[in-house]
Amino acid sequence: NAGVTQTPKFQVLKTGQSMTLQCAQDMNHEYMSWYRQDPGMGLRLIHYSVGAGITDQGEVPNGYNVSRSTTEDFPLRLLSAAPSQTSVYFCASRRGREDGYTFGSGTRLTVV
Amino acid sequence: SQQGEEDPQALSIQEGENATMNCSYKTSINNLQWYRQNSGRGLVHLILIRSNEREKHSGRLRVTLDTSKKSSSLLITASRAADTASYFCATAPKRQGAQKLVFGQGTRLTINP
Repeated sequence: NAGVTQTPKFQVLKTGQSMTLQCAQDMNHEYMSWYRQDPGMGLRLIHYSVGAGITDQGEVPNGYNVSRSTTEDFPLRLLSAAPSQTSVYFCASRRGREDGYTFGSGTRLTVV
Repeated sequence: SQQGEEDPQALSIQEGENATMNCSYKTSINNLQWYRQNSGRGLVHLILIRSNEREKHSGRLRVTLDTSKKSSSLLITASRAADTASYFCATAPKRQGAQKLVFGQGTRLTINP
């Protein structure tokens, strides 16, 4: 049981490049979310999903797209990377709204 | 803006002492959760308390919730060096159908041997 798997663990992008952060879970969880963590800012919600085909925006969605075609996968796309998107990104999943999240180990992204 | 705010931002105590962290939030919630994050790692879920509960225990952890004051506290008893980590509260606001989970900025706890 792998839990929540995020790839890659580290990534350096140039300003203007696009990329996709991958997130997969094998627990058949309905809820999945993407957060970014910046020093002194805690975790901020980017996008979330309550099931396959259903996504919604969080606190800081600008510059990011998501889709949820399967229960298992929830990729996060950076459309045109900016230095302000330098951060650690965490994907998390949970069974339902009364459950705690299982977090992935994170992707450390640097945009230069 | 952040829904939850932890207090204090940093706490340093001796091993064996109790550690108390507080969380305040702004809007009505469905539940409140506490997480731990060791340096450089993902968050680990510790405990969930529902809005109709006042206290919950899990091992050395005790969580209280006061919905009238919109606040919660996390007590770690008989602290150990391994408890050194950042602790976050997270709330599920009712007005958003409890679908979102919004985190505070965390309390950095250091246990000195």
